Amino acid sequence: DAGITQSPRHKVTETGTPVTLRCHQTENHRYMYWYRQDPGHGLRLIHYSYGVKDTDKGEVSDGYSVSRSKTEDFLLTLESATSSQTSVYFCAISAGLESNEQFFGPGTRLTVL
Amino acid sequence: KQEVTQIPAALSVPEGENLVLNCSFTDSAIYNLQWFRQDPGKGLTSLLLIQSSQREQTSGRLNASLDKSSGRSTLYIAASQPGDSATYLCAVRPVYGGSQGNLIFGKGTKLSVKP
Repeated sequence: DAGITQSPRHKVTETGTPVTLRCHQTENHRYMYWYRQDPGHGLRLIHYSYGVKDTDKGEVSDGYSVSRSKTEDFLLTLESATSSQTSVYFCAISAGLESNEQFFGPGTRLTVL
Repeated sequence: KQEVTQIPAALSVPEGENLVLNCSFTDSAIYNLQWFRQDPGKGLTSLLLIQSSQREQTSGRLNASLDKSSGRSTLYIAASQPGDSATYLCAVRPVYGGSQGNLIFGKGTKLSVKP
């Protein structure tokens, strides 16, 4: 299995509080992604990174920010959590773009009350 | 905009049956297609990756085919077992209209194999 960990694995928070989710990889892969998974929508891309300090928006980026200060860590921050951000969040990594397989972490279940 | 569809949404079969899961996509301009398995409350496990130039890939009892021109892929599971029960997700990596290397997912087929 690809070395990807996510923390925390579960979190319950209140509306309006900031939340940071962490993704850590030991594969030295260049590309890292944050997806959210919701019933009826499937998995959708939030943000991605193509190198240290290089990030960009995905399909559902509103309300989220990211940072990548080291190759191995990719942080997802909800500046002010809302109930619509209750979801399961997955981190993924890939060594390259076109032909490379994407590997997923175990996920973080976030509940915003 | 690339869209991925998986039919059926749910499937129940008796143990030992051979079965086929279907995936279709609207834009044939893809780099590759990946099949995943997801167990309840768990992450995604990559099963097979098919490059756009390939027609099929095999791993054990699993065989995935790709017909890029018609926008279709199938995942064939031979001699199904109760341990195969899970949700199977199909995802494509689009050439156009996507972020760098992200996957576009279908909503999955939930498979139940009855003993």
